[in-house]
Amino acid sequence: DQQVKQNSPSLSVQEGRISILNCDYTNSMFDYFLWYKKYPAEGPTFLISISSIKDKNEDGRFTVFLNKSAKHLSLHIVPSQPGDSAVYFCAACLVRGGGGADGLTFGKGTHLIIQP
Amino acid sequence: GAVVSQHPSWVICKSGTSVKIECRSLDFQATTMFWYRQFPKQSLMLMATSNEGSKATYEQGVEKDKFLINHASLTLSTLTVTSAHPEDSSFYICSAVGGDENIQYFGAGTRLSVL
Repeated sequence: DQQVKQNSPSLSVQEGRISILNCDYTNSMFDYFLWYKKYPAEGPTFLISISSIKDKNEDGRFTVFLNKSAKHLSLHIVPSQPGDSAVYFCAACLVRGGGGADGLTFGKGTHLIIQP
Repeated sequence: GAVVSQHPSWVICKSGTSVKIECRSLDFQATTMFWYRQFPKQSLMLMATSNEGSKATYEQGVEKDKFLINHASLTLSTLTVTSAHPEDSSFYICSAVGGDENIQYFGAGTRLSVL
């Protein structure tokens, strides 16, 4: 059963416009969420994250929004640039209270295509 | 950002042989490393958690005797696929956790093809 879902396999956006990538999760215990970007033949690159105690985190052109009640998060990229074309993965984990790290649960990814 | 190196990037082997994959954190010490596997059109799936100096913790359904993990130092973890078979063909990728325990940095992955 997919605990993290990215329902759009692909998304096409015009250069300069806003790209919105969506992610839903089913496990209400998740309390930390991350977005990764992946180019072909490379490993995922960390983009931005958000803790469940927040509803928004911004870093330059990237903003992540979290709606806990809906178990939904989204990544906004504005303005979209050609170099943003890649596969974007949403991931979630539980934060351990006593320190240490837990493995990530990933969605299947959304292929973002920025058109000139 | 933190750099994680994974080697080899691609390996082809005959059925029955063993394959070792290395994962190194190049500019930070990683007390915890993770191993994931990705089948075509599927998401990355966690296989095991590797803690330096202790035994790895395997996810349900992952055979610990088949996928041997060694995390002998703070910068190196290895995954050995023993007696590989064609169904083990997959994309294996490691990650490491540095200063921020919630952020994992990934290697480039290893494409394993077992003939």
